[in-house]
Amino acid sequence: AQSVSQHNHHVILSEAASLELGCNYSYGGTVNLFWYVQYPGQHLQLLLKYFSGDPLVKGIKGFEAEFIKSKFSFNLRKPSVQWSDTAEYFCAVRGNTDKLIFGTGTRLQVFP
Amino acid sequence: DTGVSQNPRHKITKRGQNVTFRCDPISEHNRLYWYRQTLGQGPEFLTYFQNEAQLEKSRLLSDRFSAERPKGSFSTLEIQRTEQGDSAMYLCASSPLSRDDEQYFGPGTRLTVT
Repeated sequence: AQSVSQHNHHVILSEAASLELGCNYSYGGTVNLFWYVQYPGQHLQLLLKYFSGDPLVKGIKGFEAEFIKSKFSFNLRKPSVQWSDTAEYFCAVRGNTDKLIFGTGTRLQVFP
Repeated sequence: DTGVSQNPRHKITKRGQNVTFRCDPISEHNRLYWYRQTLGQGPEFLTYFQNEAQLEKSRLLSDRFSAERPKGSFSTLEIQRTEQGDSAMYLCASSPLSRDDEQYFGPGTRLTVT
């Protein structure tokens, strides 16, 4: 069965700090990988996605993620966070069916 | 606004009552998905449609849950004989037919069963 693990449940950073959120998945076949973000009071929005090709994917708002197939990982990074990045971040995987399997999410708080 | 819309946004009901939620996808999106999200968890897949055909249902979707998409446009999710464990945020998403696209989520319907 497919599953997604996000080991960081709650991350607290100061502005300008660097961010890395871990995501590991369990699935033996070809996967599509996603990071979604949910800002306070808003709905889920796509940050970035990986389908194939360059394993380093760039998304909106300066976020990027790297797919490492051998580690079954798709970690999210941002070199310098801002207060406006305060949100909940969800990693998701899509295997051979169209449903998304989400991780439990990481709550990021950025203080000025 | 051309995004996914869901109604109602909030629903409070007593245990044992039936509730129905509606989702209007982005126009011309062939696929429509329902997910459920509880506090501290990520969204969990419930079911999805391609046009009017229901293609997959999760084991989470007990017999008390039914979803329809009668004309391949909007969808409804009905929960019969609600239980307190049904309290959650119910999310709808839609996507085009191509697998090379993401799912676009609506704002959700928050259900509270008292």
